[in-house]
Amino acid sequence: NAGVTQTPKFQVLKTGQSMTLQCAQDMNHNSMYWYRQDPGMGLRLIYYSASEGTTDKGEVPNGYNVSRLNKREFSLRLESAAPSQTSVYFCASSTTGTTGELFFGEGSRLTVL
Amino acid sequence: QQQVKQSPQSLIVQKGGISIINCAYENTAFDYFPWYQQFPGKGPALLIAIRPDVSEKKEGRFTISFNKSAKQFSLHIMDSQPGDSATYFCAASMGGTYKYIFGTGTRLKVLA
Repeated sequence: NAGVTQTPKFQVLKTGQSMTLQCAQDMNHNSMYWYRQDPGMGLRLIYYSASEGTTDKGEVPNGYNVSRLNKREFSLRLESAAPSQTSVYFCASSTTGTTGELFFGEGSRLTVL
Repeated sequence: QQQVKQSPQSLIVQKGGISIINCAYENTAFDYFPWYQQFPGKGPALLIAIRPDVSEKKEGRFTISFNKSAKQFSLHIMDSQPGDSATYFCAASMGGTYKYIFGTGTRLKVLA
């Protein structure tokens, strides 16, 4: 039982390069999320998708775009990476809205030089 | 209004001791307060959660105490074990939205 799978686990980019973080869940969850984790900042919501076909901004959406490809998959794209986007990115999913338990992937560590 | 303030930033406890982590919030619309546990290299995982209609919830060695009037809640880990060494995050959310607000985390180290 895979749960939430993120790829890649590690990535190094140069400033201005683009990349997409992939996330897939096999729990038939409706809602999916992208968070970033930075030292001393906790987890901050970038974008979320309440259900297939919908996406909305979180606390820190600038510099990111998302696509809810289908019920299983939710991708995060950095169009022009900046050093401030160096972080660990977590994808999560849940069955219902705010009261649903969040199931997290193992994270993707991104370094932008 | 949207922040959840967590303290301490780090905590060292002897094996068998009690670990206490505190969180405070401002937005009275929050109605769900979970705690997540994260081990190095892993994603956070739900540990225990509480709603504001109860003042305490206990699951094994883990207890959440909730003070609605003070807008504070805390995690107590009884008989702390080295295996409890992890980072703990409190969070809050409100009905009808999908935006969990997390605290900044507490790194707990339990000495053997």
